[in-house]
Amino acid sequence: EVQLVESGGGLVQPGGSLRLSCAASGFSFSSYWMSWVRQAPGKGLQWVANIKQDGSEKYYVGSVEGRFTVSRDNAKNSLYLQMNSLRAEDTAVYYCANSFSGYYETWGQGTLVTVSS
Amino acid sequence: EIVLTQSPATLSLSPGERATLSCRASQSVRSYLAWYQQKAGQAPRLLIYDASKRATGIPARFSGSGSGTDFTLTISSLEPEDFAAYYCQQRSNWPQTFGQGTKLEIK
Repeated sequence: EVQLVESGGGLVQPGGSLRLSCAASGFSFSSYWMSWVRQAPGKGLQWVANIKQDGSEKYYVGSVEGRFTVSRDNAKNSLYLQMNSLRAEDTAVYYCANSFSGYYETWGQGTLVTVSS
Repeated sequence: EIVLTQSPATLSLSPGERATLSCRASQSVRSYLAWYQQKAGQAPRLLIYDASKRATGIPARFSGSGSGTDFTLTISSLEPEDFAAYYCQQRSNWPQTFGQGTKLEIK
């Protein structure tokens, strides 16, 4: 069974940091682009970051550029999102997803990040 | 950035009825458009990609059409489990963007 399981969310103060993890199983993790997509409470979906199969290419939405870093460990079948200088507007459920041709095929259950003092 | 506008925001229908959801792009995305279903408290699920191709395991009552700037998701006969939010997404231009969603509710 294809599965993605996120962890690492929680409550953090503005300006703080958090590292999200996504554990993959049931598919060839190293063969896929991977992505982070977020959803603010009661809002729609927003793509956050992509990373190529070998980690050589990374892309970010403008609002997180310079603050967030996506990485992966293919030996551990894991995807990460290091989030620094967090802002209230970063509050959201963060999903990891595997990508094929720019679409999001399988999604994790999400992890909630709340940025508040 | 390409803006995707979905309509209507809310659609109220009964089981067995036909649902037609619209997604309009601010510029051509060719056929590089997907549709996702999201039930309350769950992650989105890919339904349709490349405008008209059903993803693995998606029932035949779901169909997609369109190209360029105007796209439609049709559910031929609504089942109780189809009442959910639906989002379109384009991958034609960077950054990939989503529409704001259509909520399909039971009438």
